[in-house]
Amino acid sequence: DTGVSQNPRHKITKRGQNVTFRCDPISEHNRLYWYRQTLGQGPEFLTYFQNEAQLEKSRLLSDRFSAERPKGSFSTLEIQRTEQGDSAMYLCASSWEYYEQYFGPGTRLTVT
Amino acid sequence: AQTVTQSQPEMSVQEAETVTLSCTYDTSENNYYLFWYKQPPSRQMILVIRQEAYKQQNATENRFSVNFQKAAKSFSLKISDSQLGDTAMYFCAFSAGTYKYIFGTGTRLKVLA
Repeated sequence: DTGVSQNPRHKITKRGQNVTFRCDPISEHNRLYWYRQTLGQGPEFLTYFQNEAQLEKSRLLSDRFSAERPKGSFSTLEIQRTEQGDSAMYLCASSWEYYEQYFGPGTRLTVT
Repeated sequence: AQTVTQSQPEMSVQEAETVTLSCTYDTSENNYYLFWYKQPPSRQMILVIRQEAYKQQNATENRFSVNFQKAAKSFSLKISDSQLGDTAMYFCAFSAGTYKYIFGTGTRLKVLA
């Protein structure tokens, strides 16, 4: 297993456009997490899935954000009508149950 | 609400020396986990060490060890025999309940040759 992968690695978009990111977790992991990291800060929790069920969403996740994990495998995070404040690194992590999380390389989003 | 505080934004250490990074946290939970993650420049975050709150013994992984003081809610990371490859951002993280992580703001460690 090659670990958690995320695509794309970088995304530049214009304000108001929609963007979608993909995360492929470690195959045997049942939990998948999304975090957002801005410059100079630690990652902040956005949402998490156990298998295909989205069990928790942060208040940071406005109604412009949606995440899915069909069939409990890969996950997508979509941001609609992007704003400059959405510029950040979006990190995905996976774990087996409550064991430690393994992080992907992140998708860096720049909204111009 | 749980919080994690890392009060040292930046630190430096000479190669082969020892350095300690501080982390304090606040929680009303009794069962939880604490972690140190390392994020090298432009690379992904990797786990350095974990500590279960119910274990009194401090965790150790090769050159990395922790000083876990549950009553004081303190969780420091000691790096012995520092190497140039240890240069990175270090994040302290707390996990309980749903096991999402609460991260501190990080400490940027630079190992000097």
